[in-house]
Amino acid sequence: GESVGLHLPTLSVQEGDNSIINCAYSNSASDYFIWYKQESGKGPQFIIDIRSNMDKRQGQRVTVLLNKTVKHLSLQIAATQPGDSAVYFCAENTGTASKLTFGTGTRLQVTL
Amino acid sequence: NAGVMQNPRHLVRRRGQEARLRCSPMKGHSHVYWYRQLPEEGLKFMVYLQKENIIDESGMPKERFSAEFPKEGPSILRIQQVVRGDSAAYFCASSPGGVRNQPQHFGDGTRLSIL
Repeated sequence: GESVGLHLPTLSVQEGDNSIINCAYSNSASDYFIWYKQESGKGPQFIIDIRSNMDKRQGQRVTVLLNKTVKHLSLQIAATQPGDSAVYFCAENTGTASKLTFGTGTRLQVTL
Repeated sequence: NAGVMQNPRHLVRRRGQEARLRCSPMKGHSHVYWYRQLPEEGLKFMVYLQKENIIDESGMPKERFSAEFPKEGPSILRIQQVVRGDSAAYFCASSPGGVRNQPQHFGDGTRLSIL
């Protein structure tokens, strides 16, 4: 079936550098995407979202890019900090339903 | 903290017992979603409810699992006759309305362990 997936299971970044976390999706009908951050023992925390009528959206230190042509989503974190260490999930809104389909996650490790 | 509240945070049950997981949505939110997460995996949708209605239960196992969201009180995910394979983290999320393309906000989950 169609799914959302991530290219890299673990990403190590030095403190202060920029991080890029990638996500591929296969459902061309998806029109809403969310990035979540999940720290150990906690629930997913909303970071940023984007609708399919946009290519880019910026938040505080984060930017989400959407390339519908190749069905690719990325999360960019500027000046990565130790507190950014977590697992990051992309999720998509599937069809006409309200449920989210999650990818398998990328673990971001920030080294000092 | 007016976020999504789940309890208990940890629940231990023996095989064959019943597990009840509770979720109180964020204030003003009338839509509740339950997801299940295995270690090192993403969340898998189980069920979507509004007050007194199940809207989408396409992710729920056909047997032993049920969910409700009564007019008063929290949403309940109930697992009867638990088996070892039910061990997982169960997360609840809520959103303000039925409009699509709104972020769902999650609680910190209930970690269910089956002995």
